[in-house]
Amino acid sequence: EAQVTQNPRYLITVTGKKLTVTCSQNMNHEYMSWYRQDPGLGLRQIYYSMNVEVTDKGDVPEGYKVSRKEKRNFPLILESPSPNQTSLYFCASSLSRQLGFSPLHFGNGTRLTVT
Amino acid sequence: AQSVTQLGSHVSVSEGALVLLRCNYSSSVPPYLFWYVQYPNQGLQLLLKYTSAATLVKGINGFEAEFKKSETSFHLTKPSAHMSDAAEYFCAVSDNLLGGKLIFGQGTELSVKP
Repeated sequence: EAQVTQNPRYLITVTGKKLTVTCSQNMNHEYMSWYRQDPGLGLRQIYYSMNVEVTDKGDVPEGYKVSRKEKRNFPLILESPSPNQTSLYFCASSLSRQLGFSPLHFGNGTRLTVT
Repeated sequence: AQSVTQLGSHVSVSEGALVLLRCNYSSSVPPYLFWYVQYPNQGLQLLLKYTSAATLVKGINGFEAEFKKSETSFHLTKPSAHMSDAAEYFCAVSDNLLGGKLIFGQGTELSVKP
């Protein structure tokens, strides 16, 4: 089954403790992206990657890192999490960056709480 | 800059009634427009998309949306609401300049009363 898989689904952590949220897709998609969802703000892009070893900042990249060493994986790293990073995170992938022809497929989300 | 505004953060309808969720966009170039649905504890699922072909777009689960350039709108409709339609709905815009990024609206939570 074609899917984007995120782990974990739920994560509670403390301020400053490094964490990684994994994302993997099995559709051989070139384009991958991370979004965060906050009430009243919709979804906002954190980082994106157009291919292996090619990553770039989205609209809200502060406090986050990503890597794209393999085509299928795109982990999100929080080196020193803070309470304002408490949010619902989504990984998404697409065959190409031209979303009119190949829309984004989303994972089921990771709910992160930083205390 | 591209932007999306969804009018109404909460919409409540009775089962069998018309569903109308409003979306207005701003884009300096021809846009791609999308509606996504999010069921509780799930990711976003694509309902339908507009990519400059037909202005009336039909999607899954009986939903459709009409692109109106003069009104910069892309409202989502369904003739008869079902209990299973209760979810949060997001309108989003992209274009060739954004190169893979979706700009989302704030979301509209749809409740369906029996």
